Amino acid sequence: AQTVTQSQPEMSVQEAETVTLSCTYDTSENNYYLFWYKQPPSRQMILVIRQEAYKQQNATENRFSVNFQKAAKSFSLKISDSQLGDTAMYFCAFMKLSGGGNKLTFGTGTQLKVEL
Amino acid sequence: EPEVTQTPSHQVTQMGQEVILRCVPISNHLYFYWYRQILGQKVEFLVSFYNNEISEKSEIFDDQFSVERPDGSNFTLKIRSTKLEDSAMYFCASLRTYQETQYFGPGTRLLVL
Repeated sequence: AQTVTQSQPEMSVQEAETVTLSCTYDTSENNYYLFWYKQPPSRQMILVIRQEAYKQQNATENRFSVNFQKAAKSFSLKISDSQLGDTAMYFCAFMKLSGGGNKLTFGTGTQLKVEL
Repeated sequence: EPEVTQTPSHQVTQMGQEVILRCVPISNHLYFYWYRQILGQKVEFLVSFYNNEISEKSEIFDDQFSVERPDGSNFTLKIRSTKLEDSAMYFCASLRTYQETQYFGPGTRLLVL
């Protein structure tokens, strides 16, 4: 079974600064995807970024980028130029690739607060 | 942009009552999921559904739960006899192919009294 660990329950950052959220995972699979989802107070789950395990290049999406270390099973999210609208709970998630199923396994989340 | 929709957004029910939560996945998606999130906790997988049958279910998904795709567009989660501990946010998600990304609906907030 896969496990996902987010060791930072809460973090805060000043507006316009950079913040990094940590995530580690445990799996024996070789073929999988990793995700960061954002959950604002509305509790909607919004995809932030995706990383395919077979790709060595780290994924980027505008101000969001990841540091994917496959051997270390580490998958951190960097948010640059933080904005007030980035305030949310952030969940790291793992998905193994198979012909069916493909459930997401989530970490416990990091509550990020962006302050003025 | 196509999106997953869920109804109702909120539901309050009495313990022991049956509830049906409804989802309309993105139209060309083939894989469907239900997750739940108890307040303040992480999101947990309940069940996945593909080709008109359950492909995987968690320990949470016991005999009180069932899923159905009755008409080719809706995807429903039924809880036969609700318990207090079923109070949670329930998310539906869908996926076009297994190599892509799951997109979530806005959730149904269920409160069991």
